[in-house]
Amino acid sequence: AQTVTQSQPEMSVQEAETVTLSCTYDTSESDYYLFWYKQPPSRQMILVIRQEAYKQQNATENRFSVNFQKAAKSFSLKISDSQLGDAAMYFCAYRSSNSGYALNFGKGTSLLVTP
Amino acid sequence: DSGVTQTPKHLITATGQRVTLRCSPRSGDLSVYWYQQSLDQGLQFLIQYYNGEERAKGNILERFSAQQFPDLHSELNLSSLELGDSALYFCASSVVGGMTEAFFGQGTRLTVV
Repeated sequence: AQTVTQSQPEMSVQEAETVTLSCTYDTSESDYYLFWYKQPPSRQMILVIRQEAYKQQNATENRFSVNFQKAAKSFSLKISDSQLGDAAMYFCAYRSSNSGYALNFGKGTSLLVTP
Repeated sequence: DSGVTQTPKHLITATGQRVTLRCSPRSGDLSVYWYQQSLDQGLQFLIQYYNGEERAKGNILERFSAQQFPDLHSELNLSSLELGDSALYFCASSVVGGMTEAFFGQGTRLTVV
């Protein structure tokens, strides 16, 4: 089974600064998809950004971007110009056809944003 | 609003009991996934249904079962409940797999006492 590892249980960033959340994964598959989900205190799971493994270009969504290093099996999330509303748990997730496209989540990183 | 509806939002029950959690997927979504979120295990995939058929199984206990009905809503049945089953249970739906987004419901908070 694929393993997703988020090595930072907690991170802190000041408002307007940039923070990077780390994620590594272990797989022998060549075709897969990677996601970052945000879970605020409301508990709602919200998709932040997604990346297809066969695309070399890093995905970007407004202030959110990823650094996808396929050979290193690394998928980090960069949040620029951090806002108070970015405070949440962030989950990295892996998905492939072999598991019916179910999401395989990491343990999460709790992001604190300070004024 | 994700378009995925889960009921009930909260459930408190005693050990040994059986409960049913319900999920209505987004209109048009054929895939339904169930996940369990607990403090010690994190977010774990339980089971997936696609157009009424079981498609994939994750770390689902034998005491748990699920089904998807012809109208595509799904139910997760949890029986012989134990204290350790207390968790947030999410349902998610998507059209198909790949890059398509999986939309999550608000979850059902189950507390076993």
